[in-house]
Amino acid sequence: DAKTTQPNSMESNEEEPVHLPCNHSTISGTDYIHWYRQLPSQGPEYVIHGLTSNVNNRMASLAIAEDRKSSTLILHRATLRDAAVYYCILPTYNNNDMRFGAGTRLTVKP
Amino acid sequence: EPEVTQTPSHQVTQMGQEVILRCVPISNHLYFYWYRQILGQKVEFLVSFYNNEISEKSEIFDDQFSVERPDGSNFTLKIRSTKLEDSAMYFCASSEGSGRVDSPLHFGNGTRLTVT
Repeated sequence: DAKTTQPNSMESNEEEPVHLPCNHSTISGTDYIHWYRQLPSQGPEYVIHGLTSNVNNRMASLAIAEDRKSSTLILHRATLRDAAVYYCILPTYNNNDMRFGAGTRLTVKP
Repeated sequence: EPEVTQTPSHQVTQMGQEVILRCVPISNHLYFYWYRQILGQKVEFLVSFYNNEISEKSEIFDDQFSVERPDGSNFTLKIRSTKLEDSAMYFCASSEGSGRVDSPLHFGNGTRLTVT
């Protein structure tokens, strides 16, 4: 499996944009990049995924570097509810298993 | 929006007892998963299940664990003889994907298992 590296923690102010980075230098051409988050006392929650092009949905945007060795999850206006652990995951090839690392703990300050 | 439901939300059992955790995946989904999260630690993959058989399992998923889809709606995780170290939050997930890596997983809110 391709490995991902994320900062352990980040802080943001409420209503400001947040850019959460992820490095995946060993990514292969067919690896999708998935992002999940886990709010306190809840199960993981799908956020967004992409392959090569940048992606937008109602929750966030995903910016993928041209060489695909890194990506950035963008929350356009952080709210207190966005405080969570964010995981960047490259699923296993055959079975779509998501293997979670330590992720980035995002703190949002009012 | 359809969701994955898990019951019970909290289960307390004595060491050595069998426990069954239940999940109802989203109805049109084909892939099913169990994960666990020990308090303060990361989410760990246990097993994936497709077409009535295990697709992949981790080293955690030993002979004490089994999974079953007994009918068209439920997906269960059985722990035969619980140990103290099985105390954790157990998450069920499902996805509609064909096994390729572009299908998001939808997670339930988990069952907290406490082994005393």
